[in-house]
Amino acid sequence: DAKTTQPNSMESNEEEPVHLPCNHSTISGTDYIHWYRQLPSQGPEYVIHGLTSNVNNRMASLAIAEDRKSSTLILHRATLRDAAVYYCILQGGSEKLVFGKGTKLTVNP
Amino acid sequence: DVKVTQSSRYLVKRTGEKVFLECVQDMDHENMFWYRQDPGLGLRLIYFSYDVKMKEKGDIPEGYSVSREKKERFSLILESASTNQTSMYLCASSPGGVNNSPLHFGNGTRLTVT
Repeated sequence: DAKTTQPNSMESNEEEPVHLPCNHSTISGTDYIHWYRQLPSQGPEYVIHGLTSNVNNRMASLAIAEDRKSSTLILHRATLRDAAVYYCILQGGSEKLVFGKGTKLTVNP
Repeated sequence: DVKVTQSSRYLVKRTGEKVFLECVQDMDHENMFWYRQDPGLGLRLIYFSYDVKMKEKGDIPEGYSVSREKKERFSLILESASTNQTSMYLCASSPGGVNNSPLHFGNGTRLTVT
């Protein structure tokens, strides 16, 4: 499975945008880029995913580099409830996802 | 909304006991997964299943087995629990047939083996 690299931790202030980076230089042409987040004491929850084009949904935006070797999850206005561990994962030809260690996001009031 | 329900939030068992962790999903999903999560190691895949009575080993299957007799239920079995199996166990499901479908997770079972 192709690997991803994320910073261990990031901090943001409430109501400011947050850009969470992910490097995946060994991505293959058929790998989808998925983002999940895990709030304290909960299971991971799906945030967004994409293949080549940028994607938007009610939770976040996903910006994918033209060469697909990196991507950025964008939270447009961070709230305290966005404090979580964010995982960037590549999904290839199988159904399973392999989770890395993720980025722990702290949101300051 | 998809609901994935794990039967216990917290469980304490003794070394050597046989332990069953149950997971039920209500959205007719073909795929089901068992992960364990440990500090510093992240989530690691134990077993997964594409269909009833089918199972595939994940990255760390040793010491575990699974059962999928009905589509909605996926059980993780610790044949003889050991202290190194103390962990948070997470079940997930996803629709089959599309390899980019999101996983839906339960809230986990925190198992302590003493």
